[in-house]
Amino acid sequence: EAEVAQSPRYKITEKSQAVAFWCDPISGHATLYWYRQILGQGPELLVQFQDESVVDDSQLPKDRFSAERLKGVDSTLKIQPAELGDSAMYLCASSSWGGPDTQYFGPGTRLTVL
Amino acid sequence: SQQGEEDPQALSIQEGENATMNCSYKTSINNLQWYRQNSGRGLVHLILIRSNEREKHSGRLRVTLDTSKKSSSLLITAPRAADTASYFCAPLNNAGNMLTFGGGTRLMVKP
Repeated sequence: EAEVAQSPRYKITEKSQAVAFWCDPISGHATLYWYRQILGQGPELLVQFQDESVVDDSQLPKDRFSAERLKGVDSTLKIQPAELGDSAMYLCASSSWGGPDTQYFGPGTRLTVL
Repeated sequence: SQQGEEDPQALSIQEGENATMNCSYKTSINNLQWYRQNSGRGLVHLILIRSNEREKHSGRLRVTLDTSKKSSSLLITAPRAADTASYFCAPLNNAGNMLTFGGGTRLMVKP
């Protein structure tokens, strides 16, 4: 069964450093989402792509976070510089067409900022 | 955005004792989805119920939806220790496709 791939699974970094996360959605899925999940809370949407275009990045802290999906397939989420409060699980999800449709999640990247 | 709020926040039961989790939301929806998350892992889609449906079954899962009360419930029958996880509801409205999750219900099933 096709799955959403994410890497790395775990990342430890020091504050003020740059970090990057990668996501490869299910083949053929036009819509890709990045979520942040703080321990004990539900996921919070950071950015949504439809193909290579950003549909919603209203919750993305743009002073330090950036996301791209240049060819409309895989995507990278970057944080620069990382802050202590960025420690969280970063989840990527994809759906086939972006309407009210099922989202399929990857295993996530656990970020720890020291 | 449309946020679901799960209740209770935590639930501890014995194996075989049915587990019921509730979800409330505030505005009209297109559908409502339930997800499971094992500790430190990604979310797994369990079931989707559309606004014109009142009940749906999938294996040991039974989901109900009451749009007049803006609420949904997830029942797990004969739960096993492997069902220990956090469960999230995510309502989806007609205007967009963003899922907004509440804090989830943390279910512990004791053997």
